Amino acid sequence: QQQVKQSPQSLIVQKGGIPIINCAYENTAFDYFPWYQQFPGKGPALLIAIRPDVSEKKEGRFTISFNKSAKQFSLHIMDSQPGDSATYFCAGRESTLGRLYFGRGTQLTVWP
Amino acid sequence: NAGVTQTPKFRILKIGQSMTLQCTQDMNHNYMYWYRQDPGMGLKLIYYSVGAGITDKGEVPNGYNVSRSTTEDFPLRLELAAPSQTSVYFCASGLGSSYEQYFGPGTRLTVT
Repeated sequence: QQQVKQSPQSLIVQKGGIPIINCAYENTAFDYFPWYQQFPGKGPALLIAIRPDVSEKKEGRFTISFNKSAKQFSLHIMDSQPGDSATYFCAGRESTLGRLYFGRGTQLTVWP
Repeated sequence: NAGVTQTPKFRILKIGQSMTLQCTQDMNHNYMYWYRQDPGMGLKLIYYSVGAGITDKGEVPNGYNVSRSTTEDFPLRLELAAPSQTSVYFCASGLGSSYEQYFGPGTRLTVT
């Protein structure tokens, strides 16, 4: 059973576009929602994270929007660049043991 | 500061063979994790450790074993390899139960 559902599985945009990746969860014990970025042949790396009591968080061109009542959150990448081409994973952190539960990932391709 | 290192990078095993995937971190992190990544399935937690001498099962522990005798090392043992264990394995570490986990470069394992 996937605790964090992520869509779409793949996404292709042109340079300058705004790709949006959506995630949904059911577990109310999640207390942080991080996003990880993974380039081919590398391990994932933390990109940005949000707490459920915050509706939006921006870091540079990356923004997380969070809707607590709908149990949904999304990643927006402003002015996307070819260097943003990577796989993106959303996750929920379970508060008692601190374990991360990852979505299935979105493979983003940004064409120049 | 090398971060999290994993060896080997690649390995091919025959069905029924055993092997140990090595993981070392030099950041003095107390928490360490093993994940497997299968295409389109995200990252699944195999085992984790909150400190030397303490380990616990994750979501998909069957067919694997771990030990944690030092803060730095967290080897993953595969006994009686099966084709279902063909995957990319990532080791990660973190400070406490932080949502920020630092991943190694991965080991690509094929069982035939």
